[in-house]
Amino acid sequence: QKEVEQNSGPLSVPEGAIASLNCTYSDRGSQSFFWYRQYSGKSPELIMFIYSNGDKEDGRFTAQLNKASQYVSLLIRDSQPSDSATYLCAVNGDYKLSFGAGTTVTVRA
Amino acid sequence: EPEVTQTPSHQVTQMGQEVILRCVPISNHLYFYWYRQILGQKVEFLVSFYNNEISEKSEIFDDQFSVERPDGSNFTLKIRSTKLEDSAMYFCASSLASGGAGELFFGEGSRLTVL
Repeated sequence: QKEVEQNSGPLSVPEGAIASLNCTYSDRGSQSFFWYRQYSGKSPELIMFIYSNGDKEDGRFTAQLNKASQYVSLLIRDSQPSDSATYLCAVNGDYKLSFGAGTTVTVRA
Repeated sequence: EPEVTQTPSHQVTQMGQEVILRCVPISNHLYFYWYRQILGQKVEFLVSFYNNEISEKSEIFDDQFSVERPDGSNFTLKIRSTKLEDSAMYFCASSLASGGAGELFFGEGSRLTVL
C-alpha cells in the first residue's frame, strides 16, 4: 500500500499562473508534512513544512493541510520558469520521511 | 550555510564488488539517513541512524547493506556485493530532530553505476 500519493503529472502552467499540487497520505498518525523541490539530477531541497491544519504561506508558496481528509497541497503563485522541477511531498514516520513519487511541473514562458 | 557533503559524486563499479559511500552530515545534527533514487523513480528510504544505532530500515536495506559512523563526522553506507539493480543515486541526509519532527537536509548525492 502506497503511503504517500501525489497527483500524476506532468503539470504544465503558463508563466505567472498558479500551479496546484496535491498529496494524500495513508497514516492518520502523521504529524509533519514537507514539500521538497528536486531539479533534474539534483538532490531534494526543502521548500516548506506544515504541521497544523490550515494554510501556511512563504513567499509565493502556500501549503495547505487537512488532516481529517489526509490531504496536503502546495500552491505556487506567479509561477516562474525557474519553478520548473519535480515537487515531492513527504510525510513523517517515527524515524524517517516517506516520499511521494513527485509531480513534475513545467512553467511555460 | 551548513551542508551535507557526500563523496564520491559518481562511482562506477563491477557487479559483485564492494562499495562505500561517504557522507559528512551537518555538524550539530543527530539523525542520519540514507535514501536512494533509481533513475526516473521515487526517493526511497533505506535506513535511519541515531546514537550509533539503526533506528529504522526498509525492506531494501538487506544484509548486503550496512551503515557506520566510524568517527564523529563521517557516516558511511557500504554495499558488500553490488548488483546491477543497485545502480541509483544515493542521498545522505541529516536532521536535528527525528524524521517525525525535523526537516531533512540532503547532500548532493552519490551516483552509483554497477556494470
